[in-house]
Amino acid sequence: AQSVTQLGSHVSVSEGALVLLRCNYSSSVPPYLFWYVQYPNQGLQLLLKYTTGATLVKGINGFEAEFKKSETSFHLTKPSAHMSDAAEYFCAVSDTGANNLFFGTGTRLTVIP
Amino acid sequence: DGGITQSPKYLFRKEGQNVTLSCEQNLNHDAMYWYRQDPGQGLRLIYYSQIVNDFQKGDIAEGYSVSREKKESFPLTVTSAQKNPTAFYLCASSSGTGNQPQHFGDGTRLSIL
Repeated sequence: AQSVTQLGSHVSVSEGALVLLRCNYSSSVPPYLFWYVQYPNQGLQLLLKYTTGATLVKGINGFEAEFKKSETSFHLTKPSAHMSDAAEYFCAVSDTGANNLFFGTGTRLTVIP
Repeated sequence: DGGITQSPKYLFRKEGQNVTLSCEQNLNHDAMYWYRQDPGQGLRLIYYSQIVNDFQKGDIAEGYSVSREKKESFPLTVTSAQKNPTAFYLCASSSGTGNQPQHFGDGTRLSIL
């Protein structure tokens, strides 16, 4: 079965600093990978996804993620944090051809003014 | 606008009572899902349905039931057998293939009176 590990349940950064949220997955085959963001009392919104092709994926709100097969990682980055980035972020993975997503336990991002 | 509508936003249950959470989508998606979210545990799959009149148990189906009589609708019933129902419940839908993201509703928060 697939599993996803998000290192760090809480991450704090200063406004304008680099954001790095880590995600590692376990899979015997190249998976599909997703990052979602959740604001308080709301559903999840898709930030970006990797399916095939270019391993550096750009998403909404200035976020991007790089698929590294050798490291089984899909870390999320943003060069300069904004106050509005404060939220919870979830990494998810699905097998090729499968329908279900496996979610990490989430990372809560705090942005310090 | 296409999307997923969950209702109600907040729901209270008395001991021994069944309650039903509504989920409707107008995205013409074949697959629909129910997740339970607890603090620090990420999202856990309760039930999913890939086609009308068919559904499968997820990881934590005990104490829950669903139906899928229409493509647009996937209601979740939290039965009295679910001893710890207090949680945030999220409904999602997708086109049904692994490389497509799931789209989420804004959730229902269920509490015990």
